[in-house]
Amino acid sequence: GAGVSQSPSNKVTEKGKDVELRCDPISGHTALYWYRQSLGQGLEFLIYFQGNSAPDKSGLPSDRFSAERTGGSVSTLTIQRTQQEDSAVYLCASSQDRGGTIYFGEGSWLTVV
Amino acid sequence: GDSVTQMEGPVTLSEEAFLTINCTYTATGYPSLFWYVQYPGEGLQLLLKATKADDKGSNKGFEATYRKETTSFHLEKGSVQVSDSAVYFCALKGDDKIIFGKGTRLHILP
Repeated sequence: GAGVSQSPSNKVTEKGKDVELRCDPISGHTALYWYRQSLGQGLEFLIYFQGNSAPDKSGLPSDRFSAERTGGSVSTLTIQRTQQEDSAVYLCASSQDRGGTIYFGEGSWLTVV
Repeated sequence: GDSVTQMEGPVTLSEEAFLTINCTYTATGYPSLFWYVQYPGEGLQLLLKATKADDKGSNKGFEATYRKETTSFHLEKGSVQVSDSAVYFCALKGDDKIIFGKGTRLHILP
């Protein structure tokens, strides 16, 4: 596609429920990133996929968070047993390769009530 | 590990004032440096970048020069406009993930 596409754009969920956030990167981009932006905070790195290499999961805040990338394209970020502190904007980004410019999607606004 | 430090906001200026937002970094190797901007209600956009020492990135009247000796990448604009009001993020990228600063909120008064 023309840009990084994320869905849903907004999600309100009850505490304890699981949520899935989807990212469709720019066509041909081999690198895919997930970041989290909490209200008034900077961008927190979560996970990075590069081609067929093992993902860098060093930023995932707990074992409730996981992500996969199927077929080297679409990625899904899953948050299990959501907590109120998980409320944030989840941003996906992609780049053509390891050193390329990173382009961001519009983000998925998650609110846990 | 790699890190980015940028001046805390908010920064409030009058229209046509000169802008500087300081950014310094710590990194191993030779990272690429970026400024991203987030306008109200919009997603994060690349503003400018520099990939090696002494490179100057520029866009929309903004400039930043990659200074290896001072490990800095300060953002400057000679005459700001109300439409420049946004949050600005300095960032670096080594071999893999991009590391962001905490962001600086800029308010421009008419």
